Amino acid sequence: DVKVTQSSRYLVKRTGEKVFLECVQDMDHENMFWYRQDPGLGLRLIYFSYDVKMKEKGDIPEGYSVSREKKERFSLILESASTNQTSMYLCASSLFGARQGKRYEQYFGPGTRLTVT
Amino acid sequence: QQQVKQSPQSLIVQKGGISIINCAYENTAFDYFPWYQQFPGKGPALLIAIRPDVSEKKEGRFTISFNKSAKQFSLHIMDSQPGDSATYFCAASDIYNFNKFYFGSGTKLNVKP
Repeated sequence: DVKVTQSSRYLVKRTGEKVFLECVQDMDHENMFWYRQDPGLGLRLIYFSYDVKMKEKGDIPEGYSVSREKKERFSLILESASTNQTSMYLCASSLFGARQGKRYEQYFGPGTRLTVT
Repeated sequence: QQQVKQSPQSLIVQKGGISIINCAYENTAFDYFPWYQQFPGKGPALLIAIRPDVSEKKEGRFTISFNKSAKQFSLHIMDSQPGDSATYFCAASDIYNFNKFYFGSGTKLNVKP
């Protein structure tokens, strides 16, 4: 069974603080993703990584950075948290590539609900 | 700008009824369309997926219908059950960046007993 774990379920931070969200997967997946989930906006991709030390911007990277030093771990960093970054953050992982026209399934963690006050 | 438009935002269906969620897209490079199901307090999980070379795919009570010319696809849940109450996301992936999924805005389904 694929397991994606996120370091915290709930987090409350103050404006201007540096925030680290950690994600670990145990299935040796090459790809890892960070999304934020907001009502009415669905899942929006912040960053993804297809290999150690590799990263690509998603659709909403502003205000965020990421780090992938080990294959199983992908960190999302809010350099200076702001109230508009209050959201649910979801990490996901998948195998790299495609097989016979199909894509590999993305497996999601349970999410971290971040509140910035 | 959302690449996959999903409707409705919320849906209430009686037990035993049919739930229908619709999605539309413009990007003709999309060639893989998964649906994810998310229960409260959990991350989304893959429910069913379709490629555009078929018009329908059925798995149990869940069916995806695909209309390539209209660039629309939909999820039908037959004989809806209270246990189906969840948020459903459609998504799409294109042939150039197949590791990346574009998700719709989500539909919160409530099946009343």
